[in-house]
Amino acid sequence: KAGVTQTPRYLIKTRGQQVTLSCSPISGHRSVSWYQQTPGQGLQFLFEYFSETQRNKGNFPGRFSGRQFSNSRSEMNVSTLELGDSALYLCASKPGQGPYEQYFGPGTRLTVT
Amino acid sequence: GQQVMQIPQYQHVQEGEDFTTYCNSSTTLSNIQWYKQRPGGHPVFLIQLVKSGEVKKQKRLTFQFGEAKKNSSLHITATQTTDVGTYFCAGPVNSTLTFGKGTMLLVSP
Repeated sequence: KAGVTQTPRYLIKTRGQQVTLSCSPISGHRSVSWYQQTPGQGLQFLFEYFSETQRNKGNFPGRFSGRQFSNSRSEMNVSTLELGDSALYLCASKPGQGPYEQYFGPGTRLTVT
Repeated sequence: GQQVMQIPQYQHVQEGEDFTTYCNSSTTLSNIQWYKQRPGGHPVFLIQLVKSGEVKKQKRLTFQFGEAKKNSSLHITATQTTDVGTYFCAGPVNSTLTFGKGTMLLVSP
């Protein structure tokens, strides 16, 4: 079974721009979560989607948004980028809601200059 | 704020020494998960503990869940260089899987 894939793997953007990151979960997994990982803050939860609906949201500003499509693929968008948004963005999938193990993708390394 | 805490933040051991990382939550957890992230990699699931006082072993790794389900530990016996990485605990807090900041383990040969 193919693992979680994320595109692009690396991205360099300028302050004020916007960015869209994509995540394809493991086949059959319907829950997708997004995390921001930085050296200082560790893994911070952004949001979780299940059946195209946002089920939970972390403590991030409204510039961070996401969506999930009917095939469970997910995208997250960050508008008006700030230098502090530089991070590794990780997507994780699991079969459904509930305490399942999460399978992480390789992440997208975003650098904002 | 951070509701799942891990200590230590960092530990450097000689190969063959033991290693332990501790995880504490401000609230009772229904379960706790442990992940390992190798340098340059992504977190990989190791194990989930559900029962109060549960102890599980995976080869040289021993995982414990406290009686009050507020703390957990991961102990590695006789570390090897392949154990290098950051170990995270994670528990459901307010319906979201909340990660500790991790313990970075460095093993010198």
